Amino acid sequence: EPEVTQTPSHQVTQMGQEVILRCVPISNHLYFYWYRQILGQKVEFLVSFYNNEISEKSEIFDDQFSVERPDGSNFTLKIRSTKLEDSAMYFCASSEAGDRGGYTFGSGTRLTVV
Amino acid sequence: LAKTTQPISMDSYEGQEVNITCSHNNIATNDYITWYQQFPSQGPRFIIQGYKTKVTNEVASLFIPADRKSSTLSLPRVSLSDTAVYYCLVGLHNAGNMLTFGGGTRLMVKP
Repeated sequence: EPEVTQTPSHQVTQMGQEVILRCVPISNHLYFYWYRQILGQKVEFLVSFYNNEISEKSEIFDDQFSVERPDGSNFTLKIRSTKLEDSAMYFCASSEAGDRGGYTFGSGTRLTVV
Repeated sequence: LAKTTQPISMDSYEGQEVNITCSHNNIATNDYITWYQQFPSQGPRFIIQGYKTKVTNEVASLFIPADRKSSTLSLPRVSLSDTAVYYCLVGLHNAGNMLTFGGGTRLMVKP
């Protein structure tokens, strides 16, 4: 079964540092997403990306966040200056054009900001 | 956006059938109902989706009454490995749309 791959699985960073979380979506998928889940809380939508541009974003996705598809296989989430409250699991997902909510999620990157 | 209500937690035993009901009274005409499963420290996993009546796949069945104001996820003969959080989501769910996760139902399967 095709998978969405995320690296690293864990990342510890100091407050104020920049981090880049990496994802390899399923190869024939066209839509890409980032979600996050703070420990013990709900899964929250951050951003969706299609055709090399953001198609939808939440209030969480402020100027500190950016996404990029630097090549044909990777999809990245950058946090410019991390804050303690950015500590969370970050999940990448992808879907096909005809998918109705049947998105495939990766296993996540656990980001800890100290 | 249709609000969903589902039990916070449920307990079951191995081999039993588990039914998790989700209420979505203000579901819109074009909304779909989608269920996800999440194990600790893993991403959500799509289980099943439906619009009306009954949908069945190799993992579960989804029952949707005619008024569509609720839905029931049915897991046949659960095992310990089915212990997880189950989320009911309602929305257009077109590709590219955000998914809104609620608190989900924490299912504990006991031996």
